[in-house]
Amino acid sequence: GAVVSQHPSRVICKSGTSVKIECRSLDFQATTMFWYRQFPKQSLMLMATSNEGSKATYEQGVEKDKFLINHASLTLSTLTVTSAHPEDSSFYICSEKGRGQMNTEAFFGQGTRLTVV
Amino acid sequence: QKEVEQNSGPLSVPEGAIASLNCTYSDRVSQSFFWYRQYSGKSPELIMSIYSNGDKEDGRFTAQLNKASQYVSLLIRDSQPSDSATYLCAVTTTSGASKIIFGSGTRLSIRP
Repeated sequence: GAVVSQHPSRVICKSGTSVKIECRSLDFQATTMFWYRQFPKQSLMLMATSNEGSKATYEQGVEKDKFLINHASLTLSTLTVTSAHPEDSSFYICSEKGRGQMNTEAFFGQGTRLTVV
Repeated sequence: QKEVEQNSGPLSVPEGAIASLNCTYSDRVSQSFFWYRQYSGKSPELIMSIYSNGDKEDGRFTAQLNKASQYVSLLIRDSQPSDSATYLCAVTTTSGASKIIFGSGTRLSIRP
């Protein structure tokens, strides 16, 4: 069964509005979670590393004020896309990491297909 | 040079044959190596983890790691049409908070 639950799976929003995506780690305390974005036929692009109880670490070129990340508990990280625009339409995926033999295995949520109209 | 390199494909393999996917990485301190399968429109799914040199088998899948040559491969025996997907190679160091570096993926197509 799934070890990471991500909601919603699909969302359509109007340009200028904000959208919140939730990522829950099931039966595991994930101090670190990751947020990715994937455009059609392209690879995963890491956006930010979400750290429980502290500020997220953003990758170069990712606007922290536009993509707000909150990791208030060991099982929940949220990504809020603020003032969304059509170019933000993409597949957003979260993952948690820390399972497995060397505590390095990562499991992904189901992904959120965001369409901004 | 990309940190994790894969041939983008598409790699076309007849049903029942062995599919061989390859990956090279640049960081010699990498300790953990993974193969993910991603179907179109879905998120990646972990199918194999390997940490030491040699082969690791799980059902029809065999992962091979050669740290001296910095490559990792995935063999899929008795390929099925359901194996058609994009396969992502990923590496990381042992630090729990370190990033996982993904390759761009190899698109595999199994033809009936």
